[in-house]
Amino acid sequence: GNSVTQMEGPVTLSEEAFLTINCTYTATGYPSLFWYVQYPGEGLQLLLKATKADDKGSNKGFEATYRKETTSFHLEKGSVQVSDSAVYFCALRLYNFNKFYFGSGTKLNVKP
Amino acid sequence: EAGVTQFPSHSVIEKGQTVTLRCDPISGHDNLYWYRRVMGKEIKFLLHFVKESKQDESGMPNNRFLAERTGGTYSTLKVQPAELEDSGVYFCASSQTGGIEAFFGQGTRLTVV
Repeated sequence: GNSVTQMEGPVTLSEEAFLTINCTYTATGYPSLFWYVQYPGEGLQLLLKATKADDKGSNKGFEATYRKETTSFHLEKGSVQVSDSAVYFCALRLYNFNKFYFGSGTKLNVKP
Repeated sequence: EAGVTQFPSHSVIEKGQTVTLRCDPISGHDNLYWYRRVMGKEIKFLLHFVKESKQDESGMPNNRFLAERTGGTYSTLKVQPAELEDSGVYFCASSQTGGIEAFFGQGTRLTVV
């Protein structure tokens, strides 16, 4: 089947620390991969995406590389800020099957 | 351009009552999706409309849930009668045909007591 597994939170970091949130997937086809973010009181926003193997998605200092050999799409940021505090969701989407499959979300708390 | 809008933002109802959630997608988006996140778990797919037709309703939990999209514009999701396990955050999303990205609303937090 299709599923996404991401590390459980919450993750608590100090400002300017390095962030990694692990995400692995299983898919019956060739998926596109996404990271969505939900800031407090807001909806889900697309953070970054990658559509084929070895693609790197990047946005707002966050990066994730589509690794087909390890079926992973880990989210990284070199220096987190308090404003990055949010819940991060990893997701996959198969081209012909419009729906997304999401992970359980990882809450990130960044302390000043 | 307005994003995906959901109403209400919060709803607290008693077990056995009826609740109707509404979603207004981005204008021109033929695809509309409903998802649900229960108890901090993963966000799960409920169903997918293409215009007014149900393309995939494989995620609907049971027949207490009824989704409609009359005229292919806004959509409603009715829960009747509500049970305690229906509590969670209901998200709506829309996308263009062939578009890889889906745009999500803020969600409706439903609490059944």
